[in-house]
Amino acid sequence: GAVVSQHPSWVICKSGTSVKIECRSLDFQATTMFWYRQFPKQSLMLMATSNEGSKATYEQGVEKDKFLINHASLTLSTLTVTSAHPEDSSFYICSARHDYQSYNEQFFGPGTRLTVL
Amino acid sequence: LAKTTQPISMDSYEGQEVNITCSHNNIATNDYITWYQQFPSQGPRFIIQGYKTKVTNEVASLFIPADRKSSTLSLPRVSLSDTAVYYCLVGRSGGYQKVTFGTGTKLQVIP
Repeated sequence: GAVVSQHPSWVICKSGTSVKIECRSLDFQATTMFWYRQFPKQSLMLMATSNEGSKATYEQGVEKDKFLINHASLTLSTLTVTSAHPEDSSFYICSARHDYQSYNEQFFGPGTRLTVL
Repeated sequence: LAKTTQPISMDSYEGQEVNITCSHNNIATNDYITWYQQFPSQGPRFIIQGYKTKVTNEVASLFIPADRKSSTLSLPRVSLSDTAVYYCLVGRSGGYQKVTFGTGTKLQVIP
């Protein structure tokens, strides 16, 4: 149980285009999901907290107009990288917390590799 | 959010026990300690979580001293497939508190 999926697993796009990444909790409800970005040989950096039915909370330095987050249901959050540029190339990872779990465990998706040409 | 400090890297031979220590001096009363494992180009995977003393599961043990200002992840008899980055996270139980990843420890298992 507690599986999180991401789609696509990798994507290559041209500079200036927008890319949408989906994060789904397959067998549990997740009111809260998190989006991370990871550059090569670096740690995960939290970008934003996605809350079902409300606006996402962005970390300092993350442009909310560039990284659009929509958490439309209890099992789906999407991250749209708008007008992507080469510097946005990274590994994007989402995680979800089980609504009925008391511990602070997060279940992570497999990640999405974004390459902007 | 409690900040964590771990060694950047460690090497170990196959079959040995590996202990990775994490320092978290500012841990709060409600904070739990969680360890994750990450392979290249994959999302982190939960290993173990604890609050105090010792926790053991099928893959690892977690030792937490009484003052809880540090913790040690113990991996028994590592194999080559245990080569990964290991992250120690500290966060509150319940609620939807965000957690911050530290630098992690890159464990290299040598044949």
